[in-house]
Amino acid sequence: SQKIEQNSEALNIQEGKTATLTCNYTNYSPAYLQWYRQDPGRGPVFLLLIRENEKEKRKERLKVTFDTTLKQSLFHITASQPADSATYLCAPSGTDKLIFGTGTRLQVFP
Amino acid sequence: DAGITQSPRYKITETGRQVTLMCHQTWSHSYMFWYRQDLGHGLRLIYYSAAADITDKGEVPDGYVVSRSKTENFPLTLESATRSQTSVYFCASSESRVPSEQYFGPGTRLTVT
Repeated sequence: SQKIEQNSEALNIQEGKTATLTCNYTNYSPAYLQWYRQDPGRGPVFLLLIRENEKEKRKERLKVTFDTTLKQSLFHITASQPADSATYLCAPSGTDKLIFGTGTRLQVFP
Repeated sequence: DAGITQSPRYKITETGRQVTLMCHQTWSHSYMFWYRQDLGHGLRLIYYSAAADITDKGEVPDGYVVSRSKTENFPLTLESATRSQTSVYFCASSESRVPSEQYFGPGTRLTVT
């Protein structure tokens, strides 16, 4: 069955550093991959979409890569800020439904 | 402009009772979705709808019923609530099918005692 793995352990980094989150998937070949941010007690919010023919996508301080050979996406936040602290969900998809990972909690401390 | 709203935000019910969670969106999006979010499982799709009167099962549909008579509303009914249905439920909508981004509501925290 399709499986998505995100690091369940929280990632703690210092303000100003680059945070890198990993999303690995197995048993399918998604044509797209989305990243969402979720704050406690709130619904997820869309951040970025990357397609399988795009190796990299950027939006302000965010950068996403999509390696279909490794079956992996990396999500980078440069110059991280305490306000970036949240849980980040990846959602690879190939059909008409998204399949979400369990998310990685990022904590940026001053 | 409210966007997408869910009601109630919190609900406690007893095992065996029927409960309906409401979802309303003001964008006239074609697609609507219901997810549940549990620790260790992430977001799992229960049902989705591509348009009014068109619904389809997701990953975990058992014990749930949906309807969509109007584009803007997508209620989720638990016919006979069980403790395993204790969860946070999120409704979402999108303009078109994947990979269109999804807009999520604030969630309903449901506890079944």
